[in-house]
Amino acid sequence: AQSVTQLGSHVSVSEGALVLLRCNYSSSVPPYLFWYVQYPNKGLQLLLKYTSAATLVKGINGFEAEFKKSETSFHLTKPSAHMSDAAEYFCAVTGQGAQKLVFGQGTRLTINP
Amino acid sequence: DVKVTQSSRYLVKRTGEKVFLECVQDMDHENMFWYRQDPGLGLRLIYFSYDVKMKEKGDIPEGYSVSREKKERFSLILESASTNQTSMYLCASSLAGGGNQPQHFGDGTRLSIL
Repeated sequence: AQSVTQLGSHVSVSEGALVLLRCNYSSSVPPYLFWYVQYPNKGLQLLLKYTSAATLVKGINGFEAEFKKSETSFHLTKPSAHMSDAAEYFCAVTGQGAQKLVFGQGTRLTINP
Repeated sequence: DVKVTQSSRYLVKRTGEKVFLECVQDMDHENMFWYRQDPGLGLRLIYFSYDVKMKEKGDIPEGYSVSREKKERFSLILESASTNQTSMYLCASSLAGGGNQPQHFGDGTRLSIL
Protein backbone atom coordinates (compact mmCIF):
# COMPACT_ATOMS: atom_id res chain seq x y z
CA ALA A 1 0.00 0.00 0.00
CA GLN A 2 1.08 3.54 -0.63
CA SER A 3 0.63 6.80 1.28
CA VAL A 4 1.84 10.38 1.01
CA THR A 5 2.43 13.08 3.59
CA GLN A 6 2.95 16.69 2.61
CA LEU A 7 4.49 18.70 5.42
CA GLY A 8 2.82 22.07 5.72
CA SER A 9 -0.64 22.84 4.38
CA HIS A 10 0.43 26.45 3.73
CA VAL A 11 3.82 27.78 2.67
CA SER A 12 4.56 31.45 2.13
CA VAL A 13 7.72 32.80 0.48
CA SER A 14 8.87 36.12 -0.91
CA GLU A 15 9.17 36.70 -4.63
CA GLY A 16 12.67 35.63 -5.69
CA ALA A 17 13.17 33.32 -2.71
CA LEU A 18 13.70 29.58 -2.76
CA VAL A 19 10.57 27.44 -2.87
CA LEU A 20 10.70 24.13 -0.97
CA LEU A 21 7.59 21.94 -0.70
CA ARG A 22 8.02 18.73 1.25
CA CYS A 23 6.67 15.30 0.39
CA ASN A 24 7.31 12.00 2.13
CA TYR A 25 5.88 8.74 0.92
CA SER A 26 5.56 5.14 1.93
CA SER A 27 5.31 2.32 -0.52
CA SER A 28 5.57 -1.44 -0.32
CA VAL A 29 6.86 -1.60 -3.89
CA PRO A 30 9.23 0.63 -5.87
CA PRO A 31 7.29 3.84 -6.25
CA TYR A 32 6.44 6.18 -9.05
CA LEU A 33 6.08 9.75 -7.78
CA PHE A 34 4.37 12.80 -9.22
CA TRP A 35 3.94 16.47 -8.44
CA TYR A 36 0.87 18.29 -9.70
CA VAL A 37 -0.09 21.96 -9.54
CA GLN A 38 -3.62 23.35 -9.31
CA TYR A 39 -4.36 26.97 -10.16
CA PRO A 40 -7.61 28.52 -8.90
CA ASN A 41 -10.71 27.03 -10.49
CA LYS A 42 -8.67 24.63 -12.59
CA GLY A 43 -7.90 20.94 -12.63
CA LEU A 44 -4.51 19.48 -11.77
CA GLN A 45 -1.58 19.88 -14.14
CA LEU A 46 1.45 17.61 -14.13
CA LEU A 47 4.66 19.36 -13.01
CA LEU A 48 7.02 16.39 -13.07
CA LYS A 49 7.28 12.67 -12.43
CA TYR A 50 9.83 10.18 -11.12
CA THR A 51 9.77 6.76 -12.75
CA SER A 52 13.03 5.15 -11.56
CA ALA A 53 15.40 6.79 -14.03
CA ALA A 54 17.37 9.84 -12.82
CA THR A 55 16.80 10.72 -9.17
CA LEU A 56 16.80 14.46 -9.92
CA VAL A 57 13.77 15.22 -12.03
CA LYS A 58 13.23 18.50 -13.86
CA GLY A 59 9.74 19.68 -14.60
CA ILE A 60 7.91 22.61 -16.08
CA ASN A 61 8.08 26.23 -14.91
CA GLY A 62 11.58 25.80 -13.41
CA PHE A 63 10.57 23.25 -10.77
CA GLU A 64 12.58 20.15 -9.91
CA ALA A 65 12.38 17.35 -7.37
CA GLU A 66 14.85 14.86 -5.98
CA PHE A 67 13.98 11.27 -5.15
CA LYS A 68 15.75 10.15 -1.98
CA LYS A 69 15.04 6.50 -1.24
CA SER A 70 16.85 6.52 2.11
CA GLU A 71 14.65 9.38 3.33
CA THR A 72 11.50 8.25 1.45
CA SER A 73 11.19 11.83 0.24
CA PHE A 74 10.43 13.62 -3.00
CA HIS A 75 10.65 17.32 -2.17
CA LEU A 76 9.81 19.95 -4.78
CA THR A 77 12.05 22.99 -5.23
CA LYS A 78 12.39 26.10 -7.34
CA PRO A 79 15.36 28.45 -6.93
CA SER A 80 13.45 31.70 -7.38
CA ALA A 81 9.73 32.12 -6.78
CA HIS A 82 7.52 34.08 -9.15
CA MET A 83 4.13 35.55 -8.37
CA SER A 84 2.65 33.19 -10.96
CA ASP A 85 3.73 30.19 -8.83
CA ALA A 86 0.96 30.89 -6.31
CA ALA A 87 -1.20 27.76 -6.42
CA GLU A 88 -1.88 24.50 -4.62
CA TYR A 89 0.61 21.68 -5.06
CA PHE A 90 -0.06 17.98 -4.70
CA CYS A 91 2.37 15.10 -4.34
CA ALA A 92 1.15 11.66 -5.43
CA VAL A 93 2.51 8.12 -5.41
CA THR A 94 1.71 4.86 -7.09
CA GLY A 95 3.49 1.56 -7.31
CA GLN A 96 4.67 -0.67 -10.10
CA GLY A 97 1.74 -2.48 -11.64
CA ALA A 98 -0.79 -0.16 -10.01
CA GLN A 99 -3.14 2.14 -11.85
CA LYS A 100 -4.28 4.28 -8.94
CA LEU A 101 -2.59 7.38 -7.56
CA VAL A 102 -2.59 8.21 -3.86
CA PHE A 103 -2.48 11.95 -3.23
CA GLY A 104 -1.17 14.02 -0.36
CA GLN A 105 -3.33 16.64 1.32
CA GLY A 106 -1.89 19.46 -0.74
CA THR A 107 0.23 22.53 0.06
CA ARG A 108 -0.99 26.01 -0.75
CA LEU A 109 1.89 28.22 -1.86
CA THR A 110 1.60 31.98 -1.39
CA ILE A 111 4.13 34.39 -2.92
CA ASN A 112 4.67 37.72 -1.17
CA PRO A 113 5.74 40.70 -3.30
CA ASP B 1 -2.50 17.87 -25.79
CA VAL B 2 -4.88 15.64 -23.90
CA LYS B 3 -8.25 17.21 -23.37
CA VAL B 4 -10.49 16.05 -20.52
CA THR B 5 -13.81 17.84 -20.56
CA GLN B 6 -16.30 17.90 -17.72
CA SER B 7 -19.77 18.89 -18.80
CA SER B 8 -20.49 21.44 -16.07
CA ARG B 9 -18.23 23.81 -14.12
CA TYR B 10 -20.89 24.61 -11.52
CA LEU B 11 -23.97 22.64 -10.58
CA VAL B 12 -26.64 23.19 -7.93
CA LYS B 13 -29.01 20.36 -7.04
CA ARG B 14 -31.44 19.50 -4.29
CA THR B 15 -31.27 16.78 -1.65
CA GLY B 16 -32.62 13.49 -2.95
CA GLU B 17 -32.14 14.28 -6.64
CA LYS B 18 -30.29 11.89 -8.95
CA VAL B 19 -27.26 13.74 -10.29
CA PHE B 20 -25.15 12.94 -13.34
CA LEU B 21 -21.64 14.28 -13.86
CA GLU B 22 -20.19 13.67 -17.30
CA CYS B 23 -16.58 13.44 -18.41
CA VAL B 24 -15.15 12.99 -21.91
CA GLN B 25 -11.51 12.51 -22.95
CA ASP B 26 -10.18 12.77 -26.49
CA MET B 27 -6.92 10.77 -26.32
CA ASP B 28 -8.14 7.17 -26.42
CA HIS B 29 -7.00 6.57 -22.84
CA GLU B 30 -7.88 3.23 -21.31
CA ASN B 31 -8.12 4.45 -17.71
CA MET B 32 -10.57 6.99 -16.32
CA PHE B 33 -11.03 8.20 -12.76
CA TRP B 34 -13.43 10.20 -10.59
CA TYR B 35 -12.16 12.06 -7.51
CA ARG B 36 -13.68 14.42 -5.03
CA GLN B 37 -11.59 17.23 -3.62
CA ASP B 38 -12.25 18.75 -0.20
CA PRO B 39 -10.12 21.32 1.66
CA GLY B 40 -7.45 19.67 3.79
CA LEU B 41 -8.24 16.19 2.46
CA GLY B 42 -6.59 16.33 -0.95
CA LEU B 43 -8.09 14.19 -3.69
CA ARG B 44 -9.94 11.02 -2.80
CA LEU B 45 -10.71 8.38 -5.40
CA ILE B 46 -14.38 7.51 -5.81
CA TYR B 47 -14.30 5.06 -8.74
CA PHE B 48 -12.08 4.22 -11.64
CA SER B 49 -12.41 2.29 -14.87
CA TYR B 50 -9.69 0.56 -16.87
CA ASP B 51 -11.87 -0.48 -19.81
CA VAL B 52 -15.32 -0.05 -21.26
CA LYS B 53 -17.98 -1.47 -18.95
CA MET B 54 -15.32 -2.17 -16.30
CA LYS B 55 -15.24 -0.34 -12.98
CA GLU B 56 -13.57 -0.62 -9.64
CA LYS B 57 -14.37 1.02 -6.33
CA GLY B 58 -11.98 3.57 -5.00
CA ASP B 59 -11.63 4.74 -1.42
CA ILE B 60 -15.02 6.45 -1.00
CA PRO B 61 -17.60 4.80 -3.33
CA GLU B 62 -20.58 4.96 -0.96
CA GLY B 63 -23.46 6.96 -2.40
CA TYR B 64 -21.97 6.96 -5.92
CA SER B 65 -22.08 4.80 -9.01
CA VAL B 66 -20.44 5.08 -12.42
CA SER B 67 -21.08 4.18 -16.02
CA ARG B 68 -18.66 3.65 -18.89
CA GLU B 69 -20.46 2.61 -22.05
CA LYS B 70 -17.91 4.14 -24.43
CA LYS B 71 -14.17 4.40 -24.06
CA GLU B 72 -14.10 8.20 -24.13
CA ARG B 73 -16.92 8.83 -21.65
CA PHE B 74 -17.09 8.18 -17.92
CA SER B 75 -20.12 9.26 -15.91
CA LEU B 76 -20.45 9.69 -12.16
CA ILE B 77 -23.91 9.24 -10.69
CA LEU B 78 -25.13 10.38 -7.30
CA GLU B 79 -28.08 8.10 -6.74
CA SER B 80 -29.79 10.30 -4.14
CA ALA B 81 -27.83 13.48 -3.50
CA SER B 82 -27.12 14.52 0.06
CA THR B 83 -25.62 17.70 1.47
CA ASN B 84 -22.39 15.91 2.44
CA GLN B 85 -21.76 15.34 -1.26
CA THR B 86 -21.25 19.05 -1.80
CA SER B 87 -17.72 19.15 -3.16
CA MET B 88 -15.42 19.67 -6.14
CA TYR B 89 -15.43 16.66 -8.45
CA LEU B 90 -12.48 15.99 -10.74
CA CYS B 91 -12.29 13.57 -13.64
CA ALA B 92 -8.98 12.23 -14.97
CA SER B 93 -7.73 9.85 -17.62
CA SER B 94 -4.49 8.00 -18.32
CA LEU B 95 -2.96 5.44 -20.61
CA ALA B 96 -2.85 1.88 -19.36
CA GLY B 97 0.57 0.96 -18.00
CA GLY B 98 2.48 -0.12 -14.96
CA GLY B 99 1.70 2.92 -12.86
CA ASN B 100 4.13 5.30 -14.53
CA GLN B 101 1.56 6.99 -16.74
CA PRO B 102 0.49 10.43 -15.52
CA GLN B 103 -3.16 11.25 -15.13
CA HIS B 104 -4.67 14.15 -17.07
CA PHE B 105 -7.38 16.16 -15.34
CA GLY B 106 -10.45 18.11 -16.31
CA ASP B 107 -11.18 21.52 -14.78
CA GLY B 108 -13.63 20.10 -12.26
CA THR B 109 -17.31 20.43 -11.42
CA ARG B 110 -18.19 22.33 -8.27
CA LEU B 111 -21.36 20.68 -7.03
CA SER B 112 -23.61 22.17 -4.36
CA ILE B 113 -26.40 20.12 -2.83
CA LEU B 114 -29.05 22.23 -1.11
